[in-house]
Amino acid sequence: EAQVTQNPRYLITVTGKKLTVTCSQNMNHEYMSWYRQDPGLGLRQIYYSMNVEVTDKGDVPEGYKVSRKEKRNFPLILESPSPNQTSLYFCASSPVGRKTNEQFFGPGTRLTVL
Amino acid sequence: DQQVKQNSPSLSVQEGRISILNCDYTNSMFDYFLWYKKYPAEGPTFLISISSIKDKNEDGRFTVFLNKSAKHLSLHIVPSQPGDSAVYFCAASAWIGNQFYFGTGTSLTVIP
Repeated sequence: EAQVTQNPRYLITVTGKKLTVTCSQNMNHEYMSWYRQDPGLGLRQIYYSMNVEVTDKGDVPEGYKVSRKEKRNFPLILESPSPNQTSLYFCASSPVGRKTNEQFFGPGTRLTVL
Repeated sequence: DQQVKQNSPSLSVQEGRISILNCDYTNSMFDYFLWYKKYPAEGPTFLISISSIKDKNEDGRFTVFLNKSAKHLSLHIVPSQPGDSAVYFCAASAWIGNQFYFGTGTSLTVIP
């Protein structure tokens, strides 16, 4: 089944404790991206990657890191999480080209930073 | 600053009637627009898109209209069904760069 998977689905952590949210897709997509969803703000893009070893900042990259060492994986790293990073996070992927814009989203990771 | 805006947080429609969801944007560089549908506890799923070279795109019960001069797009769902009850996000991207900008979402409730 074609899908984007994220782990963990739920995470409660404390300020300053480094964490990684994993994202993996099995569709051989070149493009991958991370978003956060917050009430009243919709979805905001954090980082995106056009292919292996190519990453770029989105609208709200502060406090986050990403890496793209393999085509299928695009982990999101919070080196020192803070309460304002409490949010619902989505990973997405798509092929590059005419269909680049039609992204497939993962189920989401709900993160709470205390 | 929000470049894509959905000014109606919620909308209720009777089953069988038309649902019209609206979206405005500010960036004239946007050339591709999309609508995503989101159910609770799931990720958004792609619904329909439109390129800036068109003013209408239709897919079954869903039609998206684009008015470039007004920087406005709308999604029409006809006829509306209870299963259409979800949050709808519009999104936009520009021909240069690969960033996406989403609106704040409109929660549609279709009443049986």
